[in-house]
Amino acid sequence: AQSVTQLGSHVSVSEGALVLLRCNYSSSVPPYLFWYVQYPNQGLQLLLKYTSAATLVKGINGFEAEFKKSETSFHLTKPSAHMSDAAEYFCAVTSSGGSNYKLTFGKGTLLTVNP
Amino acid sequence: EPEVTQTPSHQVTQMGQEVILRCVPISNHLYFYWYRQILGQKVEFLVSFYNNEISEKSEIFDDQFSVERPDGSNFTLKIRSTKLEDSAMYFCASSEGSWNEQFFGPGTRLTVL
Repeated sequence: AQSVTQLGSHVSVSEGALVLLRCNYSSSVPPYLFWYVQYPNQGLQLLLKYTSAATLVKGINGFEAEFKKSETSFHLTKPSAHMSDAAEYFCAVTSSGGSNYKLTFGKGTLLTVNP
Repeated sequence: EPEVTQTPSHQVTQMGQEVILRCVPISNHLYFYWYRQILGQKVEFLVSFYNNEISEKSEIFDDQFSVERPDGSNFTLKIRSTKLEDSAMYFCASSEGSWNEQFFGPGTRLTVL
């Protein structure tokens, strides 16, 4: 079985500050990893994904994440936070089965950006 | 830009009643999913669907749940006899292929009284 742990249910940063959202995974097979963002009253939107190519993955809106196998981590970063980044962020790992690849999610981290 | 849509956005029902949650996946997608998120908890996988049959389901997806693709556009989740613990946000998702990105709808908030 695969699992995801997101450290910190709530992260608060100032506008312009570094954003760091932590994600650790557990997997007995090489994982595919994802970060999704959810803005209020909207669905989950894919920010970026790791699929065993480059370990540093760049996504939308200036976010990136680095896959570190030795640390079983896939932390999400952005150099400079913007007010529009305020949202909930979910880390997810694939779990293969049948002919589909279901996602196993973390509990989410709510990002607040202060002016 | 194509998107997954879900109706209704909020459903309130009495315990024991049947509910049907509706989703319209992106038109050229072949794989369909339901997930749910109980307030304050993780987003959990319920079921995946491909080629008009369930390809995988979780332990949560018991006999009270069923899915159907009644026509070429809709994908539905039915809960036959709702329980209080079924109260959650239900997300539909679709993908073009099994390894492709899953696109999520905005969710249906189900409240069971």
